[in-house]
Amino acid sequence: RKEVEQDPGPFNVPEGATVAFNCTYSNSASQSFFWYRQDCRKEPKLLMSVYSSGNEDGRFTAQLNRASQYISLLNRDSKLSDSATYLCVVAMNTGFQKLVFGTGTRLLVSP
Amino acid sequence: GAVVSQHPSWVICKSGTSVKIECRSLDFQATTMFWYRQFPKQSLMLMATSNEGSKATYEQGVEKDKFLINHASLTLSTLTVTSAHPEDSSFYICSAYGTLAGEGETQYFGPGTRLLVL
Repeated sequence: RKEVEQDPGPFNVPEGATVAFNCTYSNSASQSFFWYRQDCRKEPKLLMSVYSSGNEDGRFTAQLNRASQYISLLNRDSKLSDSATYLCVVAMNTGFQKLVFGTGTRLLVSP
Repeated sequence: GAVVSQHPSWVICKSGTSVKIECRSLDFQATTMFWYRQFPKQSLMLMATSNEGSKATYEQGVEKDKFLINHASLTLSTLTVTSAHPEDSSFYICSAYGTLAGEGETQYFGPGTRLLVL
C-alpha cells in the first residue's frame, strides 16, 4: 500500500466549477500535512498547509481528518490557471521535515 | 524570486558517463538538503537526505555508490550520478530546509534537473 494515495485523475472541469481533491495516508504517526501544486515539468510549489481545524486560502479550503487519515482540498470557482497536478504531501517531523508525496491528481480547467 | 537553484537544468549524456548536479540555497543557509527523483506520471521519491559536513542518509533501495552526495557547505549540495544508464533518466529535484527572513522553517524546492541518458 502506498504511504499517500490520491486519485490520479485527470479531472476535466469547466471554468467556475468546484473541484474536490482527496487523499489518504497510511502512517498514523504523520504530523504535518500539505497540498503542493506542480506544473508540467516544474518543481512542486507549496499551495497550503493543512491544519486539523481546517483552513482556507482564497478559493482553496483544506481539511484534515486524523481519525480516518484523510485530507481534502476544495477548489472553488476554478480558473484556467488552476490547471496543474495537485500533490498531497505528508511529513514525519524528525527534526526536519521528511516529506512523502502522493502521485498527484491532475486538474484540467477548460474555458 | 527563486531561493534554491539547480544546475544544470537539463542534461543529455551517453550511457556510462557521470553527471554532476548542483543544488544551491540562495538566500539562506541550509543544514539539510534533500534529493528527490520523479519518473513520468509518478510521485516524487526521496532518494537521500544530505547534511552539511556529514555523510548523506540514503533511502531504502537507493545505491549510495551510484548516487554520490556531497554537502560541502551550508549553501551547496551536489548529486553525482555515476556511470549513468538509460534507466537513470529522470527528473531530479533538490530541496533545502531552512528559514528565510520573516518566514518559518520550511522546505524550498529547486527547479529540477532533467536527465536523459542515451
